[in-house]
Parts: sequence; structure tokens; C-alpha cells
Amino acid sequence: EVQVVESGGGLVQRGGSLRLSCAASGFTYWMGWVRQAPGKGLEWVASVGQDGREKYYVDSVKGRFTISRDNAKNSLYLQMNSLRAEDTAVYYCVRDRGYYSFESWGQGTLVTVSS
Amino acid sequence: QSALTQPPSASGSPGQSVTISCTGTSSDVGGYNYVSWYQQHPGKAPKLMIYEVTKRPSGVPDRFSGSKSGNTASLTVSGLQAEDEADYYCGSFAGNSNAVFGGGTKLTVL
Repeated sequence: EVQVVESGGGLVQRGGSLRLSCAASGFTYWMGWVRQAPGKGLEWVASVGQDGREKYYVDSVKGRFTISRDNAKNSLYLQMNSLRAEDTAVYYCVRDRGYYSFESWGQGTLVTVSS
Repeated sequence: QSALTQPPSASGSPGQSVTISCTGTSSDVGGYNYVSWYQQHPGKAPKLMIYEVTKRPSGVPDRFSGSKSGNTASLTVSGLQAEDEADYYCGSFAGNSNAVFGGGTKLTVL
């Protein structure tokens, strides 16, 4: 069974930065981040290809968030800058089995942006 | 990148079947056979139940099935059981390497 564990969430002021990390087994896949605001639905945030070169983002985070991976460490990252109140959410690290079908999810890490 | 449209709620009695719809456009649901469905129990992470419209990951009961017609995908849960009560989300590849989810449907087992 694939293990996915996120870390790095917390409370940050509006305009601040935070870096999320994810440790995952079976890392030779596309990986991504999906978030869920409190009481709301799911929103895809970003995805990165196996070798880290291809990166894609939802429009609302382009220019502010950066996804990256370190395959030697089986780790995925999300650098979040210029955080806004609307970025408040549980962020899930996900493994993509192909074409954005997310087959493995971590327990999530909560990011709270205070205004 | 507009969200897919799902009914906010659905319900059925144990043993019955229930179908949840997910409506998009020709740029997402209708344009690709890459629709997935997720089950989320309260306080838990989502779980992939269906991918590529009709395929079930290992371990998902065959009571769960998916289909698609035009811009609308559907998830059918047959032989409803109490543990099926959860939120269900559809998701779709949306071209240009983007993905979009539906707003979610709360399934109640009466």
C-alpha cells in the first residue's frame, strides 16, 4: 500500500509564505496537491511530472505557488508565497495514476491564513 | 476552470441503487474519458472509487460503477449499505494539463 504523509501546515499571516512537504512511497508517478477549504469541496492545485520538469497549476495560484519534487528523497513540495485568506484549506498530497485520477492521498495538512 | 456540477444531496434505502450525476462541458467531461469519482467520509481523506469513467481500483466493491453520456458522467451505487453514506466528488481531466472537481454530493442512506 502506498504511504503518503504531508507536513508543514500551520498558521501564517496574509502575504506570508509556507512550504509543504510530502513523503511518499512508490514515487515514480506524477504527483500533485489537492486542497479542501473548510466545509467545501475539492480543488486541484498543482501537479508535477515524474522527472520534475513538467509543472501545472490552477489559475488562482499561478505565480504564487511552486511545486517541486526530489526523487532521491521520495519527496514532494509546495512552496506557497503571497498567501491569501482564500488559500486556507487542508492540503492533500496525491499520487496520480494517470490523467488526474488521484489514487493515493495523505491525511492532509491544514494551512490557515489569517487576515 | 469552472467546477463540475453535482446535485448537493442524494439518498436511498439499504439495498437500493442510487445514481449521482456530474455535468461538465465538452472541454472536460465530454471531451475525455478521464472522469474519476471519490468517496470521502467525515474527517477522512478522499478515496478513489472510479477512474477513467468506468474502471474500479483494486479493493473497490463492484457495487460502485461509473458511466458517461455526452457531458454528463454518473456514479451508481447498487445494493446501498450504511457504510456508503459519505460525500462523493467527481473529477475530470480538463485539457491543458488541468483538472477540475465537482462541488460534491452528500449521499444519505436512509
